[in-house]
Order: sequence, then structure tokens, then C-alpha cells
Amino acid sequence: GENVEQHPSTLSVQEGDSAVIKCTYSDSASNYFPWYKQELGKRPQLIIDIRSNVGEKKDQRIAVTLNKTAKHFSLHITETQPEDSAVYFCAATPPNEKLTFGTGTRLTIIP
Amino acid sequence: GAVVSQHPSRVICKSGTSVKIECRSLDFQATTMFWYRQFPKQSLMLMATSNEGSKATYEQGVEKDKFLINHASLTLSTLTVTSAHPEDSSFYICSARALPSRLAGTDTQYFGPGTRLTVL
Repeated sequence: GENVEQHPSTLSVQEGDSAVIKCTYSDSASNYFPWYKQELGKRPQLIIDIRSNVGEKKDQRIAVTLNKTAKHFSLHITETQPEDSAVYFCAATPPNEKLTFGTGTRLTIIP
Repeated sequence: GAVVSQHPSRVICKSGTSVKIECRSLDFQATTMFWYRQFPKQSLMLMATSNEGSKATYEQGVEKDKFLINHASLTLSTLTVTSAHPEDSSFYICSARALPSRLAGTDTQYFGPGTRLTVL
């Protein structure tokens, strides 16, 4: 089955700087890669996703890049703000299968 | 759109009792619903996958007789924790995968707000 690794486990960034979280996956059949943001005690919220036919996707301050050859994908947050502090999870899935989540990254934005 | 509700949000029960958690997709039809549990500072652990009208598929190590899942319609799935024990205390989250639409692919999952279960 799919195996997803996520790094780093914790990340502290000065407000206004950029944050990058990286994930690798094992199953070359995976074609859908969502990123979720989870605040303490709340549900995971989908913030951006990318499919394997695209190499990069951007939504305002958030972008995701995908390298299918190397089987890795990354989340980029620019101009970070205190409300970006949360735990971020990457995930990967082959078509019509279950999501496999990374272990999460706790992002702290330092004011 | 794509709202998933979960009820109750919190439940405290005595050891040995059963607890039912409901998961509803409010504004879309879900072909598949997933049940996860999450321990503090850990990732989401998939417990089972449920498809409307068929038996749930449980992940390895998850007792199907203890965690009963029913998916009676395209908008409702229930998880019943039977004979709950303190070690079952956790944050239980459901998610729903929508039917194909112009807005989302078949793989997009939307999460419910979670249920915090405490077994005394």
C-alpha cells in the first residue's frame, strides 16, 4: 500500500517569512495529493490539493508543487501570518482508494 | 458547499456502555464515508471505509464487532462503539467523499468536526 512520509515534524517561522513542508510517497499509482490544516480540537480542513496531471498549483499565499518522478510534493506558504499556526497534514491516494496521511507538521508562526 | 456534520461533538460515558456517533453530508451525496480516530499530537488513523448499502471495510487491527458501522444512505453513516472502555477514549472523525461533480474530483474528502469520546 501507499506510504507517506512528511518533514519536518515541527516548524517555527517568523511572521512574514515563508514556510515549506515536504512529503514523499511510495505508490506511483497515486494521483491525488491534498493538504489539510488542523487547528487544535478542530476538523482537518482541505486547504489545497493537486492532481498528478499538474506540476504546481497556487491559491493566494499557498502553493503546492508535485514532482512525480521523484515522488514528492511540497506545501509552500508565503507571507506567513499568526493564523497560519496549526498542524498540517499531507496525503496521497491512488484512484478510488483511501487517503494515506503523513504524520503531520506542527507549524508555529512567531509574531 | 461540501459540509459534513457529526453528532455528538462530545460524549462522556461509563465503561461498558455503547456510544453511537452520526456523520452526515449536508449538501452533497457521499458514495463513501471514512471513520478515523486521532490520538493527541498524532495523525489520523483510518479505522474503516464504508460504502452506502454494503458492509464496511475495516483496517487491520480494528475490531469490527466493537466498532459497528452502518451506512444506510448516501448522506448518513453511523459508528457505534460497543462496550466502550477507557482505552477507546479518543477523537473520532468522519469524512465523506463526494459523488463526481464539476467542483471536485472523486477523491476529494471533506471532514466532519469530530467527536471527542471520553470513557470513564
